[in-house]
Amino acid sequence: QKEVEQNSGPLSVPEGAIASLNCTYSDRVSQSFFWYRQYSGKSPELIMSIYSNGDKEDGRFTAQLNKASQYVSLLIRDSQPSDSATYLCAVIKNNYKLTFGKGTLLTVNP
Amino acid sequence: GAVVSQHPSRVICKSGTSVKIECRSLDFQATTMFWYRQFPKQSLMLMATSNEGSKATYEQGVEKDKFLINHASLTLSTLTVTSAHPEDSSFYICSAGSNMNTEAFFGQGTRLTVV
Repeated sequence: QKEVEQNSGPLSVPEGAIASLNCTYSDRVSQSFFWYRQYSGKSPELIMSIYSNGDKEDGRFTAQLNKASQYVSLLIRDSQPSDSATYLCAVIKNNYKLTFGKGTLLTVNP
Repeated sequence: GAVVSQHPSRVICKSGTSVKIECRSLDFQATTMFWYRQFPKQSLMLMATSNEGSKATYEQGVEKDKFLINHASLTLSTLTVTSAHPEDSSFYICSAGSNMNTEAFFGQGTRLTVV
């Protein structure tokens, strides 16, 4: 089982809809969870971080963490074409060493 | 977030030559820096972890003699691709973390093309 798994997509949603991105991880000792957005040919940028069970909201983004199910998700409300990118789920066990999933390609159609 | 500067953003070199990529943390002290490689349409793959003042730790399958990493100060780490070959062409990205934060911040990445 891979350490961090994501559906590679592509996930296609219409403009204004909610995009739901999912991620599972295998190691229960994982402590910190992140969502990064990566545009083609660019470096990843941090969108959300979450450390405890529950929801965390920041603008149009909501991260959800369920440690019992080893599941973390990202919801993007009112999706915009500019949200079209690859979304990487990342997990830290210790020492800032991020383990990335393969990423989910999101396309928001105008 | 914290700023990590990576240079150069693009480089083209001839096969057999060496290329140095710099990664600087501009507004914090990075005790740990990470070097990733990303091939087209693939995820980031961690190559090595470097801690200031000590030898880098390489991931399995990464040749330490080919990818030389130096982390001589708390704000600078370098990756040197030695005797580059076309198959080394890739997007190389550094990230840096400090004791103050748990997340790591990424440099802009370096697109290396070996011809």
